[in-house]
Amino acid sequence: NAGVTQTPKFQVLKTGQSMTLQCAQDMNHEYMSWYRQDPGMGLRLIHYSVGAGITDQGEVPNGYNVSRSTTEDFPLRLLSAAPSQTSVYFCASTTMLPRSGANVLTFGAGSRLTVL
Amino acid sequence: RKEVEQDPGPFNVPEGATVAFNCTYSNSASQSFFWYRQDCRKEPKLLMSVYSSGNEDGRFTAQLNRASQYISLLIRDSKLSDSATYLCVVSLTSNTGKLIFGQGTTLQVKP
Repeated sequence: NAGVTQTPKFQVLKTGQSMTLQCAQDMNHEYMSWYRQDPGMGLRLIHYSVGAGITDQGEVPNGYNVSRSTTEDFPLRLLSAAPSQTSVYFCASTTMLPRSGANVLTFGAGSRLTVL
Repeated sequence: RKEVEQDPGPFNVPEGATVAFNCTYSNSASQSFFWYRQDCRKEPKLLMSVYSSGNEDGRFTAQLNRASQYISLLIRDSKLSDSATYLCVVSLTSNTGKLIFGQGTTLQVKP
């Protein structure tokens, strides 16, 4: 059971280049999300999806695009990379706790992006 | 004001010590509360949920004070392997995955 798989683990881009971070989960979870983590900032939500064909913006969506054509995949696209997008990106899918019904996140291993 | 605030630390403690982390949240409508653990250069992983009645998992105890909008995590008998960053996490609803993360508190347990 692979859980949440992210690729690539590391990427260096030049300003203005575009790229896609891939995320796949094999747990049949409806809810998936993308976060970025920066020093001193905590994790911040970029985009999320409540199911195939449905996406919405999080706290910091500018400069990013997402789509959800299948339950399994939730790619994150950087349209024109900027140095401010240098960060660690985490994809996550959601499971529900049986006791409380609260949703908790299972994260991928992360993608470290540097934009020069 | 940040929605979820934590003392970033670092907390440096000897093995066997008891250490407590605190977290405050700003939105009184928050419904779900968690502690996640993040090892260096790794992804966050759920440590434990925090329930209104308080809950314990081995050496770890979590408490929630809704009136003060305050969450705590107590670690007893610290181990070297407890060294990590502990993230306080809050959700406004219980039926989505939109979580709000604190910046984390770093713990370093020394021999």
